[in-house]
Amino acid sequence: EVQLVESGGGLVKPGGSLRLSCAASGFTFSSYSMNWVRQAPGKGLEWVSSISSSSSYIYYADSVKGRFTISRDNAKNSLYLQMNSLRAEDTAVYYCASRAPIVGATKVFDPWGQGTLVTVSS
Amino acid sequence: EIVMTQSPATLSVSPGERATLSCRASQSVSSNLAWYQQKPGQAPRLLIYGASTRATGIPARFSGSGSGTEFTLTISSLQSEDFAVYYCQQYNNWPPFFGGGTKVEIK
Repeated sequence: EVQLVESGGGLVKPGGSLRLSCAASGFTFSSYSMNWVRQAPGKGLEWVSSISSSSSYIYYADSVKGRFTISRDNAKNSLYLQMNSLRAEDTAVYYCASRAPIVGATKVFDPWGQGTLVTVSS
Repeated sequence: EIVMTQSPATLSVSPGERATLSCRASQSVSSNLAWYQQKPGQAPRLLIYGASTRATGIPARFSGSGSGTEFTLTISSLQSEDFAVYYCQQYNNWPPFFGGGTKVEIK
């Protein structure tokens, strides 16, 4: 069974840092690009960042560029998101999602993890 | 960047009725459009990709259509488990933006 499990969320003060992790199992993690998508409380989905299978290509939303860093460890089947200089508007559930196993659909997300809540508040 | 606009924001439908959800892109995304379903407290689930291809395990009552800038998700006969929020997402260009969502609620 394909599974993605996020961890590392919690309460952090504005300006603080947090590192999210996503543990993958049930598929060949090293073959798939991976993504972070977030959802503020009561709001819609916002793509945050993507990383290619070999880490050669990395993309960020403008809202997090320069503050967040995506990375992966294929030997550990794990995806990470280092979040620095956190702001109140970064408060959200953060989902990791794999690229769907669909030809020609590198930015379709399936499956998703259950999410981890990040709260930025003083 | 391509802005995705969904309408209506909320759709009230009785069980067994048809629901039609719309998604509009600010510029052409060809057929590179996906739909996701999200139930309260759950992660999103992929329903449709390529504007009209159902993902694995998705019931036939879900269908997608459209290309270019105008897209539609149709649920032919709403079941109780279909009441949820639905998001469209373009994947033709970076960044892969989502629409604001349509909440399908029980009438």
